[in-house]
Amino acid sequence: AQSVTQLDSQVPVFEEAPVELRCNYSSSVSVYLFWYVQYPNQGLQLLLKYLSGSTLVKGINGFEAEFNKSQTSFHLRKPSVHISDTAEYFCAVTRLGSSNTGKLIFGQGTTLQVKP
Amino acid sequence: NAGVTQTPKFQVLKTGQSMTLQCAQDMNHNSMYWYRQDPGMGLRLIYYSASEGTTDKGEVPNGYNVSRLNKREFSLRLESAAPSQTSVYFCASSDQGVDGETQYFGPGTRLLVL
Repeated sequence: AQSVTQLDSQVPVFEEAPVELRCNYSSSVSVYLFWYVQYPNQGLQLLLKYLSGSTLVKGINGFEAEFNKSQTSFHLRKPSVHISDTAEYFCAVTRLGSSNTGKLIFGQGTTLQVKP
Repeated sequence: NAGVTQTPKFQVLKTGQSMTLQCAQDMNHNSMYWYRQDPGMGLRLIYYSASEGTTDKGEVPNGYNVSRLNKREFSLRLESAAPSQTSVYFCASSDQGVDGETQYFGPGTRLLVL
């Protein structure tokens, strides 16, 4: 079985500062990794995903994430945040292979609070 | 192209009442999912449908039933609502094996059970 742990429930940061949202996963099989963002009172939308290849993945709105297989991590980063980045961020995994049903396992979420 | 739509957006029920949450997607996806979101718990899978005509339980299926009406529509039914089912419900769809299993989410239904 897979599991996902987001290490911080809330991350306060000032505008234009860098930010890192941490995600660790556990799985006995290969996985795909995702970051989703949820703005207030909205559904989730995909920020970025790691399927294979380069371990540094770039997404929308200037976000990027690095897949680290040895540390089973997939941390999300942005070099300079804006007020509009205030949202909840979810890390998720799904297993690869013929038995894959596409089910996503989500972390608990991290609330990013960008202050002026 | 509306993506994934959900109705209603908000609902208040009394304990014991029943209701059906509707979900439809226009992306011709094979797979559809129902999640619930509760504070501090992320999203948890209730039921999913890998293809038209099939449904399977997820992590938290108790108290719910689903119907995959056709390829577009996937409904979630609460037969006898309980306060513990107060939550935000999200429907999602994906094209399994394509686009890296990316799921596309609807805007959610906020349910309050009194």
